[in-house]
Amino acid sequence: SQTIHQWPATLVQPVGSPLSLECTVEGTSNPNLYWYRQAAGRGLQLLFYSVGIGQISSEVPQNLSASRPQDRQFILSSKKLLLSDSGFYLCAWSRGGSYNEQFFGPGTRLTVL
Amino acid sequence: DQQVKQNSPSLSVQEGRISILNCDYTNSMFDYFLWYKKYPAEGPTFLISISSIKDKNEDGRFTVFLNKSAKHLSLHIVPSQPGDSAVYFCAAVTSGTYKYIFGTGTRLKVLA
Repeated sequence: SQTIHQWPATLVQPVGSPLSLECTVEGTSNPNLYWYRQAAGRGLQLLFYSVGIGQISSEVPQNLSASRPQDRQFILSSKKLLLSDSGFYLCAWSRGGSYNEQFFGPGTRLTVL
Repeated sequence: DQQVKQNSPSLSVQEGRISILNCDYTNSMFDYFLWYKKYPAEGPTFLISISSIKDKNEDGRFTVFLNKSAKHLSLHIVPSQPGDSAVYFCAAVTSGTYKYIFGTGTRLKVLA
């Protein structure tokens, strides 16, 4: 069976500090990978998605970046965090092709102070 | 531009009754629609989906209806149970794009 891991579960960082959130998927190959953010009281905002190693599509211009160094690894980064980066970050995967659901990780609660 | 909208932020229903959650979309290119359930501090879990070639899909207590002309879909939960209390998100995607767009969610509370 497939599993998706995210870490850390919670993170408190000062403004201006760097960020690295990691997501890995097990039990499948060539997954599509996604990063979402849920801000307080809001829906899920798609940040990045990737259909293959080194292939990253950015949906929202901001101070965040994503990388996919391995087939089942997806990393969300920032060089300098802003207060507005606080939120609940979710990684997800789906099979390639059409008409497939996404499977979400447990999420990371990021608080920027 | 919010392409997927859930206009009811919250809904309360008595246990055993029907819960109806609504979702509207604006992009006519969407051809696959999904519903997810989310508990606090957890990732969403997939509930049920429907492709644009259908107007109804059932899975146990959950039924999703799609009205393409109105660009509207709904999720029916019958009978509602206290464990159904959660935030429900609808999502839409155009096949081949992999860009799943989510609504803002509806918080369902099922009263015992």
